[in-house]
Amino acid sequence: EVQLVQSGAEVKKPGESLKISCQGSGYRFTSYWIGWVRQMPGKGLEWMGIIYPGDSDTRYSPSFQGQITISADKSINTAYLQWSSLKASDTAMYFCVRHSGLYGDYCDYWGQGTLVTVSS
Amino acid sequence: DIQMTQSPSSLSASVGDTVTITCRANQSISSYLNWYQQKPGKAPNLLIYSASTLHSGVPSRFSGSESGTDFTLTISSLQPEDFATYHCQQGFSTPHTFGGGTKVEIK
Repeated sequence: EVQLVQSGAEVKKPGESLKISCQGSGYRFTSYWIGWVRQMPGKGLEWMGIIYPGDSDTRYSPSFQGQITISADKSINTAYLQWSSLKASDTAMYFCVRHSGLYGDYCDYWGQGTLVTVSS
Repeated sequence: DIQMTQSPSSLSASVGDTVTITCRANQSISSYLNWYQQKPGKAPNLLIYSASTLHSGVPSRFSGSESGTDFTLTISSLQPEDFATYHCQQGFSTPHTFGGGTKVEIK
């Protein structure tokens, strides 16, 4: 069974750093792109970026480029989303997703979400 | 970035109704359009990919179609468990942008 299990909720202050994780199981982790999706409170979904754990090739949405870092450790089947200096506007639910598709991409499996709250 | 415009943003319907949600891309995305269902407090679930292919386990009352850059999700005979928010997403090129979402509420 394919599963993506994310790390728990975080409460941080503006300016602090944070790294959240997503561990995949039940499939060959290095053969699928893993992505991150943001959902701000009461809002829609925003695609942030993806990484291919096999070779660490990474693509970012221009909206998030420079604001986040996506990485992966294939030895422990885990992808990460990282901030060096959080802002209050980073408060959101963050989902990791597995990308599939031979040509067009789709997100066939989702993590349970990690709620990040940034408040002074 | 490819822009995805989803409409309506919300609708009210009754059990048994047929519901239609539309998503328009501002440029060609071939057939690479996905639909997701999200219930409150939960992660989205994939319903349809490549415009009309049902994901494993998705009931056949859900269907997708396309006409150029316009895509439609149809839910036939709406069931109580279908009241949720629906999101479209283009899978043609990165960033894989989403539409704004459509909340389907009980009338």
